[in-house]
Amino acid sequence: QQQVKQSPQSLIVQKGGISIINCAYENTAFDYFPWYQQFPGKGPALLIAIRPDVSEKKEGRFTISFNKSAKQFSLHIMDSQPGDSATYFCAASIGTGTASKLTFGTGTRLQVTL
Amino acid sequence: DGGITQSPKYLFRKEGQNVTLSCEQNLNHDAMYWYRQDPGQGLRLIYYSQIVNDFQKGDIAEGYSVSREKKESFPLTVTSAQKNPTAFYLCASSSPQGRTEAFFGQGTRLTVV
Repeated sequence: QQQVKQSPQSLIVQKGGISIINCAYENTAFDYFPWYQQFPGKGPALLIAIRPDVSEKKEGRFTISFNKSAKQFSLHIMDSQPGDSATYFCAASIGTGTASKLTFGTGTRLQVTL
Repeated sequence: DGGITQSPKYLFRKEGQNVTLSCEQNLNHDAMYWYRQDPGQGLRLIYYSQIVNDFQKGDIAEGYSVSREKKESFPLTVTSAQKNPTAFYLCASSSPQGRTEAFFGQGTRLTVV
């Protein structure tokens, strides 16, 4: 049973364009929603994260939009660059005093073309 | 520099062999995790440990075993009972309060030959 559904599986965006990746979750107990960026042959690294008490969080060119009622959240990459080409994973966890056991989406492979 | 070190980077296993993947962290994190990554399936949790001498099964623990004798170390053994062990294995750690990010190692790619 997949608790975090991610789409699209792959995405091609032109340099300067906006990349949008979507995730939906089922467990309403989730209270921490990070996005990870992974380059080939490397481990994932935290990109940006949000908690359900806010609807949007922006860090540089990266923005998370969060819709609690719809149980959906998305990553927007503004002014996409070739260096952004990587696989992106959304995740969710319940972090109330226990280890943050993350449940991951299946990943989106982003390619930014010149 | 603080971080998580996984070794080896590449590992080849013969069928029927047990192999152990190493994971060491110097972040003073109590919680550690092992994930398996396969193409198109994201990261799936194998085992996790919240404290020394304690660990719990994740979603795909069959054919794997772990130990947590030291805070800094969380080795994963892929046993011969794991029928499809070829994958990219990732170790991670986080603080016990679950309020900080999970830091990942660089991974070990295991191939059955």
